[in-house]
Amino acid sequence: DAKTTQPPSMDCAEGRAANLPCNHSTISGNEYVYWYRQIHSQGPQYIIHGLKNNETNEMASLIITEDRKSSTLILPHATLRDTAVYYCIVTWTGANNLFFGTGTRLTVIP
Amino acid sequence: EAQVTQNPRYLITVTGKKLTVTCSQNMNHEYMSWYRQDPGLGLRQIYYSMNVEVTDKGDVPEGYKVSRKEKRNFPLILESPSPNQTSLYFCASAFGGRYGYTFGSGTRLTVV
Repeated sequence: DAKTTQPPSMDCAEGRAANLPCNHSTISGNEYVYWYRQIHSQGPQYIIHGLKNNETNEMASLIITEDRKSSTLILPHATLRDTAVYYCIVTWTGANNLFFGTGTRLTVIP
Repeated sequence: EAQVTQNPRYLITVTGKKLTVTCSQNMNHEYMSWYRQDPGLGLRQIYYSMNVEVTDKGDVPEGYKVSRKEKRNFPLILESPSPNQTSLYFCASAFGGRYGYTFGSGTRLTVV
């Protein structure tokens, strides 16, 4: 699986967009980009995933660069409940193991 | 409600006393996994299953057993727990590896 690099921490003002970057320069053609988050010690929560096109769902948007070497998770209007550790994971379809790494600790500030 | 249910949520036990942590999902998912989470080490996979009667080792399988006799259940068995198995455990399931995993709420295990 391709390795990912994320900043260890970020702050975001409540109500503003949170943009979380992820570098995955060694991604291969059949690998997807997944985002999960973990709020305190709860179970990780799946957010979104994509292959090469931008994706949007009710939680977030995922922007993947054309060369697929990096991506950005966008929370359009961050709330205090979005404070969590966000994990960017690159893996192939059919994978049975997720490598979570250390993620980005996002703190939403009132 | 679609969910992964783990039991118990908290467990304190003594070294060597066999225990089972149960995991059940109601989404007809094929894939199920167990992870443990430790400070500084992140989430690491213990075992996984891609379907009934199909299980395989993850990254840290030593000291653990699993079984997948039914699609919905994937229990984690510690035959002889030791203090280094004190950890936060998560069960997860997915409808095939391409889709996002749904995780349980976790089981915090302390072995004294």
